[in-house]
Formats: sequence, C-alpha cells, structure tokens
Amino acid sequence: ELKVEQNPLFLSMQEGKNYTIYCNYSTTSDRLYWYRQDPGKSLESLFVLLSNGAVKQEGRLMASLDTKARLSTLHITAAVHDLSATYFCAVDDKLVFGAGTILRVKS
Amino acid sequence: DSGVTQTPKHLITATGQRVTLRCSPRSGDLSVYWYQQSLDQGLQFLIQYYNGEERAKGNILERFSAQQFPDLHSELNLSSLELGDSALYFCASSPLATGTEQFFGPGTRLTVL
Repeated sequence: ELKVEQNPLFLSMQEGKNYTIYCNYSTTSDRLYWYRQDPGKSLESLFVLLSNGAVKQEGRLMASLDTKARLSTLHITAAVHDLSATYFCAVDDKLVFGAGTILRVKS
Repeated sequence: DSGVTQTPKHLITATGQRVTLRCSPRSGDLSVYWYQQSLDQGLQFLIQYYNGEERAKGNILERFSAQQFPDLHSELNLSSLELGDSALYFCASSPLATGTEQFFGPGTRLTVL
C-alpha cells in the first residue's frame, strides 16, 4: 500500500526566510503533485512532476522529484505572508495525499 | 476558478438519510475523481470515472456509489449516512485517464446530524 509522509506538519516561518517541505513515499512512482489549500477552500494545483530529476519553479516556490530516493521537496524562498496555506504532496494518478504541511509566515 | 463545478455547496442532513452530490468537470475533461477530506482521515481518493466507465476505486464505502453520465457530469450517492460521513467532498477532473494534473472543484461540505 502506497504511503505518503510529509514533514514538517506545521511550519512557522519568518518573512524573508527560506525553508523546505519534504515528501517521502513508500512505493515506486514517477508521478508526484503538489497542491495548495487555503482555509475553507479547494485545492489549487502548484506543480506536476512526472520524471526523475524533474524540477519546477513558480515564483518563490520550487519543487523537485527524486524517484530513486522516493522523495520530493518543496522549497520556499524568501517567504511572504501570502504563502501561508496548507501544502499537500500527492503521489500516483489516484492522488494518495500526505497529511499536509500547515505553513504560517509571520512578519 | 478551476472550471469544475460542484453542487450543492453545503448539505445538512440526518443519520440514515441518502444524499446526492453533483459534479460537472472542466470542458473537455474526460476523467472525474471523487475525494473525501475529513479531519481524522485527511484527503482520501474514493473513485475515478473515465469517459463514463469506472476506472479506479479507492477507499469508497459500500454505502457510497458514483456514476458518470454521457454528458460527463458525475454524481456521488451517499446512503445510510452516519455521523462519521461528515466531511468535505471534492470532485476533480482531468483530460486523460492518467499522467495529468487534476483540477479540483470547490467542494461540498456535508454535515450529518
């Protein structure tokens, strides 16, 4: 059974700082997705990573995938308050989700 | 706005009742997925339909069923409702059966009293 673990589960950051969210998964897959969810809202697709070594960047967020290590990272550069949300990674076409990382950016 | 629509937005009902949640995918998308989000279980995949046919099944209870109609909209039927079925139910759609990102609808919040 595919299991997905994210850490940390809660992250309180100062504005302007950098940090990384980690997503480990238990069985081989070359399909990994990152989503953002604001409180009470739906999920917004951030990144689609479909091959080993894939790296994608959008603004202050960069995601990467290492299928051999079964690891994806979501790196946040110079955090701003607007990035406060819950971030989920999901693996496989049936989207097995991690528990989510609640990110709070403090000014 | 993802282009996926779901109705109703909120639903309050009693234990033992039956409800139907409706989803219209983005124009051109053939796959529809249903997910349940609750505090204790997190986000769970329930079922996928592709072009009218069931394609994959996840942690969907026997009391729940779904279908996709010829116009590609989908319905999720929940019966013999229990308190534990209270959750946010999301529908998502994608163009293909595999390998493409899924676009999520706004969700239906179900409260079972």
